[in-house]
Amino acid sequence: ETGVTQSPTHLIKTRGQQVTLRCSSQSGHNTVSWYQQALGQGPQFIFQYYREEENGRGNFPPRFSGLQFPNYSSELNVNALELDDSALYLCASSPLGQSFLAKNIQYFGAGTRLSVL
Amino acid sequence: KNQVEQSPQSLIILEGKNCTLQCNYTVSPFSNLRWYKQDTGRGPVSLTIMTFSENTKSNGRYTATLDADTKQSSLHITASQLSDSASYICVVSAGAAGNKLTFGGGTRVLVKP
Repeated sequence: ETGVTQSPTHLIKTRGQQVTLRCSSQSGHNTVSWYQQALGQGPQFIFQYYREEENGRGNFPPRFSGLQFPNYSSELNVNALELDDSALYLCASSPLGQSFLAKNIQYFGAGTRLSVL
Repeated sequence: KNQVEQSPQSLIILEGKNCTLQCNYTVSPFSNLRWYKQDTGRGPVSLTIMTFSENTKSNGRYTATLDADTKQSSLHITASQLSDSASYICVVSAGAAGNKLTFGGGTRVLVKP
């Protein structure tokens, strides 16, 4: 177990709806990253939050937005859902760490499987 | 454009045999390279992480190599077990802070008894 928990585990939505996914990072981790993983493919970076501020963003439209809270937990919000948004959404947290490498080892949650009908 | 390519896409091996997975990358500026194991329906779990100056790193029966000159890495699995059946993902980190990750598409390994 990585100590990173995501909820819900599964979700079914219809096109045009909005969804909020949640992630609780491992204790002591101050950085959270979100990824989208389509079936049979590697994860694609959505964005990263560091101390409640966005710290990098991948090639995703503005309808993908996020939040990080003072306790370092995080939310991923997706508006105006499209069929292609169906995927496994992964959250990963990184430790404060004493070394550069330790800070950059990401611990992944089990993901939220989103199906858009 | 930063890219990570893995081969083969999938692999079937018999229990007890060895196998090697390949990863080629074009990522700049290179920070580190990691291999992750992802079981079906689960999040990826880190196996190894290597910086520019490291050319080999082991974690039990998993041994990763890195050739920073040719921008290639390999993951060798020794004496495979049924529990090794999973996807193996190569991830290359770029930038001074190393927080820009590029994921390969993964190699799906199936170990048969």
